[in-house]
Amino acid sequence: SQQGEEDPQALSIQEGENATMNCSYKTSINNLQWYRQNSGRGLVHLILIRSNEREKHSGRLRVTLDTSKKSSSLLITASRAADTASYFCAKGGNDMRFGAGTRLTVKP
Amino acid sequence: SQTIHQWPATLVQPVGSPLSLECTVEGTSNPNLYWYRQAAGRGLQLLFYSVGIGQISSEVPQNLSASRPQDRQFILSSKKLLLSDSGFYLCAWSPEQETQYFGPGTRLLVL
Repeated sequence: SQQGEEDPQALSIQEGENATMNCSYKTSINNLQWYRQNSGRGLVHLILIRSNEREKHSGRLRVTLDTSKKSSSLLITASRAADTASYFCAKGGNDMRFGAGTRLTVKP
Repeated sequence: SQTIHQWPATLVQPVGSPLSLECTVEGTSNPNLYWYRQAAGRGLQLLFYSVGIGQISSEVPQNLSASRPQDRQFILSSKKLLLSDSGFYLCAWSPEQETQYFGPGTRLLVL
């Protein structure tokens, strides 16, 4: 079964706008991770947030975690065309499971 | 620095033929290794993971098997491919049970 469920399935925005993607999970976590996948490529790790953290930043990325709601969000600020990709969340561990992802399109 | 290799990049195989996909990691020792399959437009399905030589955990019963003959080598195999085995196969490694680093993937088409 999938542990990470991303929402929305697809998101289309203009360059310079912010993009917000959400993730829900079902069981308790030690950490939650976000990955990006460009079309036809492998996944690239973006950020890891631990269960005792509420917010984490990395460049233009901001991740929040609400363990009471079993949800996380990824915010990309000032989006660029190069941010066009699919974004996945997954809980950490050997049995890491990914959802179907959010397909983000940033129009120039 | 660590790098992960997968080959081949693309493979077209007839139904019923065998399969062998190879993944190797450089620049680290005793990594955790993973095989995933991704159907078009979908998320990743964990197939196998390994925490050491000869140690394989299977997540989904299926037509595939995995082996780890060397510390940094992970092989995905099948004796007879099915149409449903088509997909994008990704190998990943992890220094611990957290962040995973993915290879470039192998696109398999079974006809």
